[in-house]
Amino acid sequence: AAGVIQSPRHLIKEKRETATLKCYPIPRHDTVYWYQQGPGQDPQFLISFYEKMQSDKGSIPDRFSAQQFSDYHSELNMSSLELGDSALYFCASSSTGWGGGEQYFGPGTRLTVT
Amino acid sequence: DAKTTQPPSMDCAEGRAANLPCNHSTISGNEYVYWYRQIHSQGPQYIIHGLKNNETNEMASLIITEDRKSSTLILPHATLRDTAVYYCIVRYTPLVFGKGTRLSVIA
Repeated sequence: AAGVIQSPRHLIKEKRETATLKCYPIPRHDTVYWYQQGPGQDPQFLISFYEKMQSDKGSIPDRFSAQQFSDYHSELNMSSLELGDSALYFCASSSTGWGGGEQYFGPGTRLTVT
Repeated sequence: DAKTTQPPSMDCAEGRAANLPCNHSTISGNEYVYWYRQIHSQGPQYIIHGLKNNETNEMASLIITEDRKSSTLILPHATLRDTAVYYCIVRYTPLVFGKGTRLSVIA
């Protein structure tokens, strides 16, 4: 079965640079979620999109922005990167309705800021 | 939001049942109980969810007490591949991950 695809899998950036992470949800899933997991921490929700509209917002820094495109893929844009942004970034997707709580996660993008 | 309480760690012998408890005493009537797990640095994996009745799928069973204030995830025959952090979540959109239980399956 098709899974959530994230690219790139690994990314190394320097402070103050920008980064773009991409997420391709499971086919026919219309909701995308972004989570950040720092070293030794639990995943923290950043932002979500349903049908290309932002549906919920968590602890996402103002330096980050995201969007969902017409093909349902999503991109997380991160600017003015800081050392503390080094983390695993997970994307998850789900379908709406009763099964909406079942989120399927991608393998993550490991971002290292030096 | 309902809060959950889980033991920080548990051990289980390979081949035995792993029973992971979760307290969610402030759960509201329409909130589901979801279980996810995360194997080291992989994306979290959905396991099972339930509202009132016990549920079973190919991965696990979920037992919810009648008053819904606690639940138990059961892995019937734990294997080494089940070593992971297990999260009990009662708010699902978005998922709010607590500390979870680190399950170690021992050969």
